[in-house]
Amino acid sequence: AQSVTQLDSHVSVSEGTPVLLRCNYSSSYSPSLFWYVQHPNKGLQLLLKYTSAATLVKGINGFEAEFKKSETSFHLTKPSAHMSDAAEYFCVVRGSNQGGKLIFGQGTELSVKP
Amino acid sequence: NAGVMQNPRHLVRRRGQEARLRCSPMKGHSHVYWYRQLPEEGLKFMVYLQKENIIDESGMPKERFSAEFPKEGPSILRIQQVVRGDSAAYFCASSPPVSQETQYFGPGTRLLVL
Repeated sequence: AQSVTQLDSHVSVSEGTPVLLRCNYSSSYSPSLFWYVQHPNKGLQLLLKYTSAATLVKGINGFEAEFKKSETSFHLTKPSAHMSDAAEYFCVVRGSNQGGKLIFGQGTELSVKP
Repeated sequence: NAGVMQNPRHLVRRRGQEARLRCSPMKGHSHVYWYRQLPEEGLKFMVYLQKENIIDESGMPKERFSAEFPKEGPSILRIQQVVRGDSAAYFCASSPPVSQETQYFGPGTRLLVL
């Protein structure tokens, strides 16, 4: 079975400093992994996805994530936080069932201080 | 190309009433997924449908909940005899028939049961 664990429920950074949101996954085969962002009372927007191509994945808004099989991790990073990055971030693994339902982590709330 | 559309965006029901949530997938997408986000929880898969077929309903509650995706028209998630515990945000996602990797989410319907 597939699962993801987001190691921090809340992360707070200052504007202009780096962002690190941690995610570990569990999968019995080579997984497809995603990061989605949800702004308050909004839907989910895809930030980036890993599907067994390059292990360093670049997404929108300056975010990137690195797939590390040896560590079963898929951490999300950004060099410099912006106030507009404040949101809830979800690490997601695609299930192995037919059609591939998405399995979400519990989410990490990112706060950005001025 | 319009994104995934959901309506209504907000829905208030009294206990015992029925709730109908609608989802129109992106143009060209024939796969629809429903997810539920309970307060203070992550998103949980409910059901995966293709046109006129339920592919995976492993996340649907056994009673009161049903979903359909007819040949014509939007996908419908129906909740009969709602209870307070059904209060949540319900998100629909769609994906194209060729690649099921990326699911694009709608803005959600926020259901409040009084």
